[in-house]
Amino acid sequence: AQTVTQSQPEMSVQEAETVTLSCTYDTSESDYYLFWYKQPPSRQMILVIRQEAYKQQNATENRFSVNFQKAAKSFSLKISDSQLGDAAMYFCAYRSHTTSGTYKYIFGTGTRLKVLA
Amino acid sequence: EAGVAQSPRYKIIEKRQSVAFWCNPISGHATLYWYQQILGQGPKLLIQFQNNGVVDDSQLPKDRFSAERLKGVDSTLKIQPAKLEDSAVYLCASSPRLIGNEQFFGPGTRLTVL
Repeated sequence: AQTVTQSQPEMSVQEAETVTLSCTYDTSESDYYLFWYKQPPSRQMILVIRQEAYKQQNATENRFSVNFQKAAKSFSLKISDSQLGDAAMYFCAYRSHTTSGTYKYIFGTGTRLKVLA
Repeated sequence: EAGVAQSPRYKIIEKRQSVAFWCNPISGHATLYWYQQILGQGPKLLIQFQNNGVVDDSQLPKDRFSAERLKGVDSTLKIQPAKLEDSAVYLCASSPRLIGNEQFFGPGTRLTVL
């Protein structure tokens, strides 16, 4: 069974600085997707960035980028130029196939990011 | 495009009472997920529907939880009777079956069991 581990319960970053959130996962599949979701205090989960496992190039979305190391099964999120609005819980998620042809998502325990003014 | 709708947003009940949550997914999304998110933890899948059929309910406590998705559109999750440990946020998400590669989440329902 697939597992997702986020070893940092909480991280802090100064406004305008860069922070990296860690995520590791375990799987025997070769084709899968990885995601980072943001959950602000309002609770609505928002997709931050996705990575397809067969793509070697790391995904980027404006100030957000990932460092995807497939062999090491590592998927870290880098936030550049941190803003106060980045403060939230961040969840790493793995998407696996089900036998019915649909997808199942497995989430890590989350990292709480605090942004200091 | 309207997002995933959930109601109510908050619910407080006594233990052993019953409660129901409602979710309306994004129009056209075939797959619907119900997650339980206990404070400080990541979402845990309770049940997954593909249209009106159950794909995965392996982590649903079936002695007290039930869910249905009549006509393959909106869905209801019920707890009967509730226990203290059921206090959590219940998230609904939906995704297109084949085309999409992400889930879209609703705002969640915060349940407090006293």
